[in-house]
Amino acid sequence: QQQVKQSPQSLIVQKGGISIINCAYENTAFDYFPWYQQFPGKGPALLIAIRPDVSEKKEGRFTISFNKSAKQFSLHIMDSQPGDSATYFCAASKPGNTPLVFGKGTRLSVIA
Amino acid sequence: DAGVIQSPRHEVTEMGQEVTLRCKPISGHNSLFWYRQTMMRGLELLIYFNNNVPIDDSGMPEDRFSAKMPNASFSTLKIQPSEPRDSAVYFCASSFQSSGTYEQYFGPGTRLTVT
Repeated sequence: QQQVKQSPQSLIVQKGGISIINCAYENTAFDYFPWYQQFPGKGPALLIAIRPDVSEKKEGRFTISFNKSAKQFSLHIMDSQPGDSATYFCAASKPGNTPLVFGKGTRLSVIA
Repeated sequence: DAGVIQSPRHEVTEMGQEVTLRCKPISGHNSLFWYRQTMMRGLELLIYFNNNVPIDDSGMPEDRFSAKMPNASFSTLKIQPSEPRDSAVYFCASSFQSSGTYEQYFGPGTRLTVT
């Protein structure tokens, strides 16, 4: 059973456009929802994270939108740049220092 | 801060050989996680430790896999004997629970190839 479902698998966006990646989760015990960015040959790097007590969090060009009732959250990358081309993973975890459950990832390509 | 350190970065071995992967977490972090990444299964947890104590090893695929954390600054993941299906990238991550935040920081990974 896949606890965190991510879509799309791949995404091509024009430079300057908005990239949107969606995730849905099953377990209502999850209370921490991070997004990770991974470049080829590198480890996942924490990008931005949100808790269920807020509906939106913005850091620079990156925004997480969270819908607790629908059990969905999404990553928006504004003014997408070629340097944003990477694989993005959503994840979720229960309270405390507990393991992350990851989505399958989205390969983003930003073309000029 | 040097971040999470993993060694070796690449390992190529023959089926049946013992493989040991090493991890040094970020200084001061009290939780350590071992994840495995494959194309088919994505990123999945193998085992994690809190304060050097194994908490959940249900993700360890078989008895061929074992992990230890003898102290707060070192952990090993051992595969004995290795099989071709163990080929994957193995990541170590560490975190410190502070004011309700549980940010996990990943190392660069060890790419294991078993022939």
